[in-house]
Formats: sequence, C-alpha cells, structure tokens
Amino acid sequence: KQEVTQIPAALSVPEGENLVLNCSFTDSAIYNLQWFRQDPGKGLTSLLLIQSSQREQTSGRLNASLDKSSGRSTLYIAASQPGDSATYLCAVPYYGNNRLAFGKGNQVVVIP
Amino acid sequence: DGGITQSPKYLFRKEGQNVTLSCEQNLNHDAMYWYRQDPGQGLRLIYYSQIVNDFQKGDIAEGYSVSREKKESFPLTVTSAQKNPTAFYLCASSKGQAARDTQYFGPGTRLTVL
Repeated sequence: KQEVTQIPAALSVPEGENLVLNCSFTDSAIYNLQWFRQDPGKGLTSLLLIQSSQREQTSGRLNASLDKSSGRSTLYIAASQPGDSATYLCAVPYYGNNRLAFGKGNQVVVIP
Repeated sequence: DGGITQSPKYLFRKEGQNVTLSCEQNLNHDAMYWYRQDPGQGLRLIYYSQIVNDFQKGDIAEGYSVSREKKESFPLTVTSAQKNPTAFYLCASSKGQAARDTQYFGPGTRLTVL
C-alpha cells in the first residue's frame, strides 16, 4: 500500500519568508501527485496537480517539484503571507489509480 | 455556482442510532468519494463510486453504508455498528478516476456521538 509522509508536521515562519513543505511516498510508480490546502474546519481546496512526467508545476507564488525516482515532492510558497496559514496536504494515487493516499499534512502558521 | 454541498454542517448522534450524511454535487462528475478525517490521522477513504448504481469499499468501510442512485448524490449512513464515529466527514468528487483528475471537496460534516 502507498504510504505518504509529510515533514515537518507543523511550522511557523515570519511573514515574507519562503515556505518549503516536503512530501514523500513509498511507491514511486505514481500517475500524478496533488497538493491541497485545508483551512481549520473546512474542506480541501486543490492547489496543484503535477503529472509524473513533469518536474515542476507553478501557480502564482506556489511551485511544486516532483522527483519520482526518489519518491519526493516539495511545495514552495514564496514570500509567505498570514493568509497562507493553513494545513497543506499532498496525495498520490494507489490501488489501480482509483484511490488517493493522503499525507497527514504540514500545518503552517505565518506570523505577521 | 458549481460545487459540492454537504449537510448538515454539524450532527449529533446518540449511541445506537443510524445517521445519514448528505452529499450533492452539480459538477456533472462521475466519481464521488467519502473520507473520514481524525486529528493526527489524515484522510482515510470510506467508500467511493465511479458510476451510478455502483460503489466500492475503501480502507475503512466497516460500520458505514452508501448508495448512488443518482449521479449528483452520494449519501453516507453511519450505522450503530461503527464503534467510534466521532470525526469530520468529507465528501469529494472528480470528473474521472481519482488519479487522472483533480478531486473537489465539500465543506464537511462534523459528527459527534453523545
């Protein structure tokens, strides 16, 4: 079964610093990888979907890289803002690509 | 507006009761999913359905049941057989298979057992 790990579990940074969030997965034969954001008590919002053939994907201040062979993805958030405070989750497919395995998330606090 | 709605937002259940959580989508998506989220546990898949009148068990299906009679609706029943149902329940949908398409989530239902 696919296992997804996110490190660190929680981090606090001052406003303006760049954020680096890590995701690792045990089975490197993935079809794609998704990053989501979750605010407290809310549902998940999709941020980026990066295909297995891609090295990175960018959306505004967000950049996700993927190294399939080493089973890792990194989400970079440039020039963090207090509004970036949330939990960020990564997910990869498994079970014949019919299901998503989620990490437990990186809980981020950006201090004004 | 297209999206996924879940109701109710908060639900309280007494011991021995069955309760049903509603999930509706107007995105014309084929696949729908139910997840359970516990503190420190991440999301775990309960059931999923890729087509009307068909559904599959996920990793933690015991004590739960679902139906998929309409494309836009995928209700989840938490039965009395579920020993620890207090959790945050999230419904999601995707255009196709989970791997190929982005999953869109509803706002969630928080279930508490009294």
